[in-house]
Amino acid sequence: DAGVTQSPTHLIKTRGQHVTLRCSPISGHKSVSWYQQVLGQGPQFIFQYYEKEERGRGNFPDRFSARQFPNYSSELNVNALLLGDSALYLCASRPETSGSRNEQFFGPGTRLTVL
Amino acid sequence: GEDVEQSLFLSVREGDSSVINCTYTDSSSTYLYWYKQEPGAGLQLLTYIFSNMDMKQDQRLTVLLNKKDKHLSLRIADTQTGDSAIYFCAESIRDMRFGAGTRLTVKP
Repeated sequence: DAGVTQSPTHLIKTRGQHVTLRCSPISGHKSVSWYQQVLGQGPQFIFQYYEKEERGRGNFPDRFSARQFPNYSSELNVNALLLGDSALYLCASRPETSGSRNEQFFGPGTRLTVL
Repeated sequence: GEDVEQSLFLSVREGDSSVINCTYTDSSSTYLYWYKQEPGAGLQLLTYIFSNMDMKQDQRLTVLLNKKDKHLSLRIADTQTGDSAIYFCAESIRDMRFGAGTRLTVKP
């Protein structure tokens, strides 16, 4: 079975631009979460979506938004990019059976560089 | 700062045991996790432990949990060069919170 896939793998943008990152969860997984991993740090939670609804949001500004589609894929949008948005953006999906275990499967990430 | 804390670096010789330590702050964490990240890759779930357990063993991996001290450790037996990576501990309450990661270097 295919794992979590993300596109693109790498992206270079300039300050002030907008970016859209995409994620396809593992087949059958309805929950998708987004994380930002700045170099040298652990991932920071941005959003969780389940059945197309936002179920959780981390401490990120309103420039960050996301949505989930009927096929459970998801997009993360970042407006008015800042240099500090440069990071690896990770998507994770979670099976229905994980319950409170919150077992998440991560994609390879999208490396965003803002110049 | 991070709610979950780890030492940043660990270096061992091939064949030795590695012990990676972590402290967390939220006593309501139900599960605690260890993830592995290799260069340029996403995170791979290695193992997890339920908060009412003290120990969990899975092949070369042993997880110890001291809930009183909010201390979690991961022991890797017979460490191999392929174990070189960054290891993250994480707790999950409403969302997943990660430490900054411990970079394990295995020398031949």
